Amino acid sequence: ETGVTQTPRHLVMGMTNKKSLKCEQHLGHNAMYWYKQSAKKPLELMFVYNFKEQTENNSVPSRFSPECPNSSHLFLHLHTLQPEDSALYLCASSQDEGGASYNEQFFGPGTRLTVL
Amino acid sequence: GQNIDQPTEMTATEGAIVQINCTYQTSGFNGLFWYQQHAGEAPTFLSYNVLDGLEEKGRFSSFLSRSKGYSYLLLKELQMKDSASYLCAVMDSNYQLIWGAGTKLIIKP
Repeated sequence: ETGVTQTPRHLVMGMTNKKSLKCEQHLGHNAMYWYKQSAKKPLELMFVYNFKEQTENNSVPSRFSPECPNSSHLFLHLHTLQPEDSALYLCASSQDEGGASYNEQFFGPGTRLTVL
Repeated sequence: GQNIDQPTEMTATEGAIVQINCTYQTSGFNGLFWYQQHAGEAPTFLSYNVLDGLEEKGRFSSFLSRSKGYSYLLLKELQMKDSASYLCAVMDSNYQLIWGAGTKLIIKP
């Protein structure tokens, strides 16, 4: 248990569906992240929130829409996805965004998404 | 562009020592992280280096040479539970983590 939970753990959806991924951290951190992990590829940073404000959007298609209502919760809303969006979606949190040993990122277990 | 290189897969024997290398080219440098990821699980933090030299933490050590853009993770007294992927990540000048694709380490009895 890393203190970061994600639901659901597995999700199968059609290209016309709308679904949401949820992430919650119980660590009192200020920064939260969404990553996409595809097989044999580096982790791709999608979005960063620091103190509830979005600080990074790595050219992510608009079919992915993040929401951060408070420092403990992060959502990723999905609509009209493509089969190539099938991947493991990881949420992470850290104390803040800076570079230091205490800013290690704590990851949730991920949501395995399959788009049919 | 920014790039992190590490071997795709390595095999080692239980009880032995293995060194996993990572080379990087990034816009700025604010530290290098190593993470361990078991199959089907989340990555977990192993080490952080920001100054040149060796950081030792139990059976695991991490080395950094900023002038060479090079790091390695050294695992001693290998155990079967060390079978996992090891991810190298560099924090660039914008404090964004640039990740390598990971090295899958297979431990054989």
